[in-house]
Amino acid sequence: QQQVKQSPQSLIVQKGGISIINCAYENTAFDYFPWYQQFPGKGPALLIAIRPDVSEKKEGRFTISFNKSAKQFSLHIMDSQPGDSATYFCAASMRGGTSYGKLTFGQGTILTVHP
Amino acid sequence: KAGVTQTPRYLIKTRGQQVTLSCSPISGHRSVSWYQQTPGQGLQFLFEYFSETQRNKGNFPGRFSGRQFSNSRSEMNVSTLELGDSALYLCASSLRGLDTEAFFGQGTRLTVV
Repeated sequence: QQQVKQSPQSLIVQKGGISIINCAYENTAFDYFPWYQQFPGKGPALLIAIRPDVSEKKEGRFTISFNKSAKQFSLHIMDSQPGDSATYFCAASMRGGTSYGKLTFGQGTILTVHP
Repeated sequence: KAGVTQTPRYLIKTRGQQVTLSCSPISGHRSVSWYQQTPGQGLQFLFEYFSETQRNKGNFPGRFSGRQFSNSRSEMNVSTLELGDSALYLCASSLRGLDTEAFFGQGTRLTVV
């Protein structure tokens, strides 16, 4: 119940295209869903996050779509650029209880954007 | 505003030894979480500290321990190192460790030989 399943494992997109990464969760107690971007040799960097009271959040070229009933959320990268090539992780967490500070991560998606 | 600082960046240790890693959180952040990242298991939660108290712990053996100081800096210790402990160890800081944004350091790359 604590798992977050992420797909695809890898994704190749042409410059200017749309990259879409999907995540699914089972634990309905999760109430915070961030996405992280990680470049080789670096730590994950917070990209964008959403809470279940909204269905979509957009920041620049990055959009999270959230479907509470399906327990799924996705990251859309519009106008993908070679500089977006990185590993992307979805994550989930819940407030309170014994879950302090714990993010449950998906397995990651390696995105390659070809020029 | 300075980010999360982890030291050292790289470590090579021998099986059976112990190691201590350090994390300085963003100024004002009181929660520090530690994660292990490996190609096979991905990012796994180790433990979280807030105001010098461990509030949460992941499913790792007792060889993995940590502590937090009054200035919110944190250390994690791994004793009796095994080859399988080779990983990137990341710490993340946040204001309260609940539903606030967590920011990661660059990690410490530990290699056990």
